[in-house]
Amino acid sequence: KAGVTQTPRYLIKTRGQQVTLSCSPISGHRSVSWYQQTPGQGLQFLFEYFSETQRNKGNFPGRFSGRQFSNSRSEMNVSTLELGDSALYLCASSLGPGISYNEQFFGPGTRLTVL
Amino acid sequence: GNSVTQMEGPVTLSEEAFLTINCTYTATGYPSLFWYVQYPGEGLQLLLKATKADDKGSNKGFEATYRKETTSFHLEKGSVQVSDSAVYFCALSDPRTGNQFYFGTGTSLTVIP
Repeated sequence: KAGVTQTPRYLIKTRGQQVTLSCSPISGHRSVSWYQQTPGQGLQFLFEYFSETQRNKGNFPGRFSGRQFSNSRSEMNVSTLELGDSALYLCASSLGPGISYNEQFFGPGTRLTVL
Repeated sequence: GNSVTQMEGPVTLSEEAFLTINCTYTATGYPSLFWYVQYPGEGLQLLLKATKADDKGSNKGFEATYRKETTSFHLEKGSVQVSDSAVYFCALSDPRTGNQFYFGTGTSLTVIP
């Protein structure tokens, strides 16, 4: 069974630009969560999607947005990039909410560098 | 609210030494607890989990027991190997209220031959 895939793996952008990251969950998984990982802040939750609906949102500005498609693939978008957005963005998929199903499987991440 | 406090690193051990990484949590409900491992340049991999009090998760020689009375989920391994060198993250989620995971800050482990 293929794991979680994220594209692209590496990205370099300049301040003010916008970026879109993509995540394909494990087949059959309907929940996708996004995290930002930085050396200073660690792993911070961005948002979670289930059945094309955002279920939870972390404490990030509105420049960070996401969506989920009917095939459970998800994208996240960051507009007006700032230097502080440089991070590893991790996507995790799970079957869905619920005690038996909330184990999350992580992708390799997209390394975003903002210059 | 929910949060995880994890032992500060980095930790350096000799091969075959005993490993303990402390993790305590605060939760408003009845969380599930996890240990994830991250190897250089990779995403997080689930190492083990426990979904209720007194459960013991185990995998690849690692163990952790869900202790509700001390709100802890310490990771242990009896004899570490060089290949165990990685960053370890303790995490919790309360699936009753959502699928959001709360992670500790991570503990870097280096095992030297």
